[in-house]
Amino acid sequence: DAGVIQSPRHEVTEMGQEVTLRCKPISGHNSLFWYRQTMMRGLELLIYFNNNVPIDDSGMPEDRFSAKMPNASFSTLKIQPSEPRDSAVYFCASRYRDRRGEAFFGQGTRLTVV
Amino acid sequence: DAKTTQPNSMESNEEEPVHLPCNHSTISGTDYIHWYRQLPSQGPEYVIHGLTSNVNNRMASLAIAEDRKSSTLILHRATLRDAAVYYCILDSWGKLQFGAGTQVVVTP
Repeated sequence: DAGVIQSPRHEVTEMGQEVTLRCKPISGHNSLFWYRQTMMRGLELLIYFNNNVPIDDSGMPEDRFSAKMPNASFSTLKIQPSEPRDSAVYFCASRYRDRRGEAFFGQGTRLTVV
Repeated sequence: DAKTTQPNSMESNEEEPVHLPCNHSTISGTDYIHWYRQLPSQGPEYVIHGLTSNVNNRMASLAIAEDRKSSTLILHRATLRDAAVYYCILDSWGKLQFGAGTQVVVTP
């Protein structure tokens, strides 16, 4: 397996634009996590899904952020409208829910909002 | 959410063991203890996890206190490639929430 695949790797956008980050989890994994990492706040859990259903979205900063998982092999994190303070590295991770074991992380998407 | 407490940083000499402590006094009976590390400019990487018993794998060992309120990650022989931020996390009902971690510096 190619691992967790995130796209794009880098994104530069202007303030006010819509941004969509994408994640393809490892085949067979049924838990998916979205994180945001900044120097100031570290690694923050934004939302996680089990079997494509959002379980906990308490980390989503505000209504401008939304996440979907339409099927087991694809998830999106959307920011609309984007703001400079959204600049960060966004990571996606997946694992087998029932095993409570290793989570595999993608390489991340570095988002810059100017 | 159950929280973990780790030292901000630790320094070790190359080829010496490193013991990274973690306190998790509010752990519940069903929480798993996970350790991840993050090398510069990379995503977090799994190291080891356990529930009650000590665990060993090719990367490290995990020693869990009998009351489960603390644990220690042991890197048996530190190499320069082990320089990273190490995170101790409680897997609480499937939720993996990272803290600030410990920056490990390995000196030749």
